[in-house]
Amino acid sequence: GAVVSQHPSWVICKSGTSVKIECRSLDFQATTMFWYRQFPKQSLMLMATSNEGSKATYEQGVEKDKFLINHASLTLSTLTVTSAHPEDSSFYICSASSGWVRGEQFFGPGTRLTVL
Amino acid sequence: EDQVTQSPEALRLQEGESSSLNCSYTVSGLRGLFWYRQDPGKGPEFLFTLYSAGEEKEKERLKATLTKKESFLHITAPKPEDSATYLCAVQVYHSGGSNYKLTFGKGTLLTVNP
Repeated sequence: GAVVSQHPSWVICKSGTSVKIECRSLDFQATTMFWYRQFPKQSLMLMATSNEGSKATYEQGVEKDKFLINHASLTLSTLTVTSAHPEDSSFYICSASSGWVRGEQFFGPGTRLTVL
Repeated sequence: EDQVTQSPEALRLQEGESSSLNCSYTVSGLRGLFWYRQDPGKGPEFLFTLYSAGEEKEKERLKATLTKKESFLHITAPKPEDSATYLCAVQVYHSGGSNYKLTFGKGTLLTVNP
């Protein structure tokens, strides 16, 4: 149980375009989903927290207009990187929590974004 | 500010050579401490959650312990397939907002040679 999927697993796009990444909880209802970014040989940095049906809470320094998060249902959250630039190239990972397992987060496999 | 420090940054072991990884933390109010394993190019895989000092949990060759200042991940007789980055994360109480936010350490890269 507690499986989280992400799509796509990797994406290459041109500078200035937008990219959408999907995060799904496959076998449980995720009341809260999290989006992280991880640069090579660095740890995970939380970008934002989203609760189903409400606006995401962004961490300090993360541009909410650039990284659009939608958590439309208890099993799906999306992250859209708008007007992507090469410095947005990174490994994006989502996690999901049902809350009832004392706050444990289960992570997706990640999405590698490369902006040319 | 919540801080999580993992040591060593990298550790090389021979197969069968037991050792421990350290995670020290400075937080305002610990709700839980989490250990994850991460393979290259993959998302973190959940290992353990510890909630109170003195608590211990085991899974196969891994054992996690917790004190008021740090946590240890003990690896007994490791095998090459245990090679990965091990991440420690703390969850603290927040007034308002999400109480499930995790703050991660930088991880320990473990390599087990056959």
